[in-house]
Amino acid sequence: DADVTQTPRNRITKTGKRIMLECSQTKGHDRMYWYRQDPGLGLRLIYYSFDVKDINKGEISDGYSVSRQAQAKFSLSLESAIPNQTALYFCATSDPSGGLSYNEQFFGPGTRLTVL
Amino acid sequence: AQSVAQPEDQVNVAEGNPLTVKCTYSVSGNPYLFWYVQYPNRGLQFLLKYITGDNLVKGSYGFEAEFNKSQTSFHLKKPSALVSDSALYFCAVRDRGSTLGRLYFGRGTQLTVWP
Repeated sequence: DADVTQTPRNRITKTGKRIMLECSQTKGHDRMYWYRQDPGLGLRLIYYSFDVKDINKGEISDGYSVSRQAQAKFSLSLESAIPNQTALYFCATSDPSGGLSYNEQFFGPGTRLTVL
Repeated sequence: AQSVAQPEDQVNVAEGNPLTVKCTYSVSGNPYLFWYVQYPNRGLQFLLKYITGDNLVKGSYGFEAEFNKSQTSFHLKKPSALVSDSALYFCAVRDRGSTLGRLYFGRGTQLTVWP
């Protein structure tokens, strides 16, 4: 979805380096999410944020941190990258409009991260 | 605990034939159910969802899915497959009673449609 952008699209780095992946959205959604995708494992939730002041850990948050700089921006950081963090990372947004929180999520194009 | 199972890693079908991609789920309450599709080098795209009402849900690109509460299933179907339907398909579930809004995804099923 072009309304959700991720930078960079590809990144190769070395073990121990600090890496930041950025996500921006123009959909005006309050809720934002970071997932990682590994072959055969589907998508696993790293962190999610329901608004600028709300950050929650997902199922695999160890080794990651996030920052919600604004409604439209949600960054994922790897403080000290390790090879098993090599994966495809997706940002997503959703809009619980009208108090109903079952609306679908909209995904960015992904960032392919390789840690050597 | 919420979980989603997609029992088939791969589904192969000839163009023009009907296709089914299977999904079963487990939630503590009533579910919201979703199907997403991922084309190569792209993010996930929403296909359809079941919230309430009619058990047969119609979505994008001619896809439909049937919610079966007794079998806790939400299989994705299409009457006549196209080569362009070849992609990775994900089923996802959310507990209706949860305020967190988290989706739980299956591992994905790779659909290949042969010409």
